[in-house]
Amino acid sequence: DAMVIQNPRYQVTQFGKPVTLSCSQTLNHNVMYWYQQKSSQAPKLLFHYYDKDFNNEADTPDNFQSRRPNTSFCFLDIRSPGLGDAAMYLCATSREGQNEQFFGPGTRLTVL
Amino acid sequence: GENVEQHPSTLSVQEGDSAVIKCTYSDSASNYFPWYKQELGKRPQLIIDIRSNVGEKKDQRIAVTLNKTAKHFSLHITETQPEDSAVYFCAASPANQFYFGTGTSLTVIP
Repeated sequence: DAMVIQNPRYQVTQFGKPVTLSCSQTLNHNVMYWYQQKSSQAPKLLFHYYDKDFNNEADTPDNFQSRRPNTSFCFLDIRSPGLGDAAMYLCATSREGQNEQFFGPGTRLTVL
Repeated sequence: GENVEQHPSTLSVQEGDSAVIKCTYSDSASNYFPWYKQELGKRPQLIIDIRSNVGEKKDQRIAVTLNKTAKHFSLHITETQPEDSAVYFCAASPANQFYFGTGTSLTVIP
């Protein structure tokens, strides 16, 4: 009965090698979020989708892209991962804005 | 954009004592304020939230207060237990975004 699923849970990539992280939800929520959380830091919002509308945070690097092909799925693409992109990536959903978020278990990205 | 500050960054209390964590925000458009508990290696877990039309909310040992005029809100945990030890984050939400405070590492000493 998992509600927000992230795959893979652990991802290892090489410096500069593109990587895609995936998130799916069974809640039929219309808002989906991607956060980056580095060790001992707070989750940092990268972008969110409200339905199909993509909203990028002003300080999200161009290296990060996202796709939402349908309500259930959302992908995070890192085009050329650097060592500084090693982090936990959290996906979250909410029914509408300013309502409870449901987090996935996260994908821990290691960049070699 | 929204800026959320959180204090203290670390807090140690004796079991049974109370713990208070404070946050301030900058964007007057924020009107939803959740608090999360995050254990090591796990996802953030919502423990309580409050909306801007409410000044206080309580759920058993946990309470949150909001002063919208001053743009600050606080988490109060009473009768702390060792299992309350974790990192706690406040957040503020204007529109559809969520902005997190820097976190408070709470240690409850048995």
